[in-house]
Amino acid sequence: ETGVTQTPRHLVMGMTNKKSLKCEQHLGHNAMYWYKQSAKKPLELMFVYNFKEQTENNSVPSRFSPECPNSSHLFLHLHTLQPEDSALYLCASSQEGGIRGQETQYFGPGTRLLVL
Amino acid sequence: GIQVEQSPPDLILQEGANSTLRCNFSDSVNNLQWFHQNPWGQLINLFYIPSGTKQNGRLSATTVATERYSLLYISSSQTTDSGVYFCAVESGSGNTGKLIFGQGTTLQVKP
Repeated sequence: ETGVTQTPRHLVMGMTNKKSLKCEQHLGHNAMYWYKQSAKKPLELMFVYNFKEQTENNSVPSRFSPECPNSSHLFLHLHTLQPEDSALYLCASSQEGGIRGQETQYFGPGTRLLVL
Repeated sequence: GIQVEQSPPDLILQEGANSTLRCNFSDSVNNLQWFHQNPWGQLINLFYIPSGTKQNGRLSATTVATERYSLLYISSSQTTDSGVYFCAVESGSGNTGKLIFGQGTTLQVKP
């Protein structure tokens, strides 16, 4: 247990569906992250939120829409995805999003997404 | 941007053996972390080590920042050590929490 939970753990969706991934952290952190891990590729940072404000968008397509209503919750809304978007989506949190540098990130278990 | 290279890409060990995993990076860093990803996908932070040496049980890590590499040592390996080991860094010029991950070393420990 890392103190970061994600739901659902597995998701199968069609290209016309709309779904949302949820992440919750119980560590009192102020920064949250979405990463994508595709087969045979390193983890890619998608979004960073610090104190509920988006501070990093790593050129992510608009079919991925993040939402951070408070420092403990992070969502990733999905719509009109493509089969190549199938991947493991990981959420992480850290104390202050690197503002002071030298931070440890804690990861959730991930959502394994399959787009048909 | 900063490049991160890990070696070897794959490693097979007999239980009880020792191993060294390497991470090279192309620029100065203010954050370097080692992670272990188990077969179910869970990433666990092993070390935060932008410089110096740390030990935690059978694992230890050393980062030589001036030479831009880090090493992860696993001693007396166990089957539960199997999985993928990632090195991740944030460049010294950044303060955003933006970690760049290497490709990982996939370790299999056989009983």
